[in-house]
Amino acid sequence: TQLLEQSPQFLSIQEGENLTVYCNSSSVFSSLQWYRQEPGEGPVLLVTVVTGGEVKKLKRLTFQFGDARKDSSLHITAAQPGDTGLYLCMSNFNKFYFGSGTKLNVKP
Amino acid sequence: GAVVSQHPSRVICKSGTSVKIECRSLDFQATTMFWYRQFPKKSLMLMATSNEGSKATYEQGVEKDKFLINHASLTLSTLTVTSAHPEDSSFYICSARGGEAKNIQYFGAGTRLSVL
Repeated sequence: TQLLEQSPQFLSIQEGENLTVYCNSSSVFSSLQWYRQEPGEGPVLLVTVVTGGEVKKLKRLTFQFGDARKDSSLHITAAQPGDTGLYLCMSNFNKFYFGSGTKLNVKP
Repeated sequence: GAVVSQHPSRVICKSGTSVKIECRSLDFQATTMFWYRQFPKKSLMLMATSNEGSKATYEQGVEKDKFLINHASLTLSTLTVTSAHPEDSSFYICSARGGEAKNIQYFGAGTRLSVL
């Protein structure tokens, strides 16, 4: 059973398109992190969200934390080939758990 | 951000041999380190939690005698895959937590293990 469900699992889009990735749980997050991982490398931290309703922006990436702190989303505007990678959400439910991951491929 | 170094980045070994992977926190003291395994196109699966000076806590289904973890100092944890077999081939990643950001993990670059 996956404590953190991510959707979609796979996403293949053209450069310039927008996309949203979701991370959901039936439990309340104390905080949630989003990571991006490229093939053959470790995950790199993108952002941490802590407060319900919080919105954080990182250039073309917008992260939202649900009011109830059970869900989060990552929106990418005008995707670039450099955004290609595996996007992972992670939270701490006594232990650290990763979401199932979203594999994004942005085609030039 | 904090830096975690993992070594080696890639290792190829014969079946039956043991392989040691090192994970070092370079600019902070890591009270807790984590070891993950990742299968192709899949998310990270937590194998064990390593606390400095105490025994590691293994996740269900992970053989502790197979995957030996030692966290001898606040900057170093090691994972030894004993008597490796082809099914142990995988991408292993460590992470470290420490300092003020207790809910953030910093990851190593991973180790690609191939057992022939």
